[in-house]
Amino acid sequence: QVQLQESGPGLVKPSETLSLTCTVSGDSISPSYWGWIRQPPGKGLEWIGYIYYSGSTSYNPSLKSRVTISVDTSKNQFSLNLRSVTAADTAVYYCVREGSNWSLDYWGQGTLVTVSS
Amino acid sequence: QSALTQPPSASGSPGQSVTISCTGTSSDVGGYNYVSWYQQHPGKAPKLMIYAVSKRPSGVPDRFSGSKSGNTASLTVSGLQAEDEADYYCSSYGGSKISRVFGTGTKVTVL
Repeated sequence: QVQLQESGPGLVKPSETLSLTCTVSGDSISPSYWGWIRQPPGKGLEWIGYIYYSGSTSYNPSLKSRVTISVDTSKNQFSLNLRSVTAADTAVYYCVREGSNWSLDYWGQGTLVTVSS
Repeated sequence: QSALTQPPSASGSPGQSVTISCTGTSSDVGGYNYVSWYQQHPGKAPKLMIYAVSKRPSGVPDRFSGSKSGNTASLTVSGLQAEDEADYYCSSYGGSKISRVFGTGTKVTVL
């Protein structure tokens, strides 16, 4: 059974960098695609981006200038960095596995990140 | 690229059927057979219910079905049960410019 677990600070100051890590268990991180989704409180889902185990990436154009997703195959982890955050980046962040046919078949439980001074 | 359009709410009595629409464009929903649907209960992570327009993952009841016509995809929940009350989101591959777009979400209420 594939399990994903997000970890990282729950509070980030404005203008700083939000950093989260997703640890994958029950499956090798290769050869699959892995990604990040976020959901502001009371709002809908927003795709952030994905990474292939080899390191190739694709990002949401609206966030592309501030986002970096990286992978560490030795630790079976992948990470999200979102720079220059504002209150609008406050959300529950989910890590996901991109399954077949562009579906998201496994999700982490989600972690709330609040941007506030 | 804009979000896919879903009705804000839908409802039905136990045993009835409810259908949720998801309208996009020829650049996403209409251009690819890569529409998926997710169920989200309050405070929980979304769960994949339908992928590739109409395929069900193992363990998803056959009460859930998906279809597509042109730029609009649909999710039908037949034989509504109390546990089907949740938010539902569609998603589609969006091509090379934006790989994934989500729908605006629909809250399904079981009356």
